[in-house]
Amino acid sequence: NAGVTQTPKFRILKIGQSMTLQCTQDMNHNYMYWYRQDPGMGLKLIYYSVGAGITDKGEVPNGYNVSRSTTEDFPLRLELAAPSQTSVYFCASSMGDGYTFGSGTRLTVV
Amino acid sequence: DQQVKQNSPSLSVQEGRISILNCDYTNSMFDYFLWYKKYPAEGPTFLISISSIKDKNEDGRFTVFLNKSAKHLSLHIVPSQPGDSAVYFCAATLYGNNRLAFGKGNQVVVIP
Repeated sequence: NAGVTQTPKFRILKIGQSMTLQCTQDMNHNYMYWYRQDPGMGLKLIYYSVGAGITDKGEVPNGYNVSRSTTEDFPLRLELAAPSQTSVYFCASSMGDGYTFGSGTRLTVV
Repeated sequence: DQQVKQNSPSLSVQEGRISILNCDYTNSMFDYFLWYKKYPAEGPTFLISISSIKDKNEDGRFTVFLNKSAKHLSLHIVPSQPGDSAVYFCAATLYGNNRLAFGKGNQVVVIP
C-alpha cells in the first residue's frame, strides 16, 4: 500500500516556465489537498477536492491550477513560475478525518 | 488571519524529560484538533487527535489536553526520546469539514 505518492521530489524551474506536480493515492480517499510549506510559515492550503470532478480554492490559489479527473490523481499545475512559488509542496488525502501526506516536492524557481 | 497559533517555535529538552508544546486557536467553532509530526524531507504524519467533547486524550507517551474556554491545547511527550526530534504541527477543523487549519509548527530537539 503506497499511500500518497508525489513526483518529482525535487525540481528547479526558471522564471516563466511551467510544470505539473503529480500526486496519486491508492486508498480510495475522496478528499485530496495541496499545501505549500514556506520556512517558518506552516502549511497553507492551495487547492482541495472533495471528489472526482470537484475542486475548490484554498487560502493561496493564485498562480496554480488543479484538476481531479479520477479519484486517485490530483495534479497541481504551475503555469508561469515565479520566485514566490519557491516552496515545499505537500499533497494529502483524507477519508473524513486526519490526513495522509505525501513526502513532498521541493521546488525552487530561479 | 492565522486561526491556529503555535508560539515558541523551538524547544530543546533532555532525553527522559517532558516536552510540552502549546497551541492556541481563534475560531470557537473548531471541534476537532490534531497533532502531526514531521521529520526532514518527509511529509507530516498523524500523531494524536482530540474531539471537543473531551479534555484529554492519551496514546502511549503522547497526551493532548484541550481547554475549550481558553481555546488552548497542549501536547505532552513523556518521556521524551531522541526519535521525537521533529517539527510538530497543531491543526484544527470542524469535524466533517475536511479542511484542516495548521499552525506554523514547533521544532523539538531531544538531547541524548
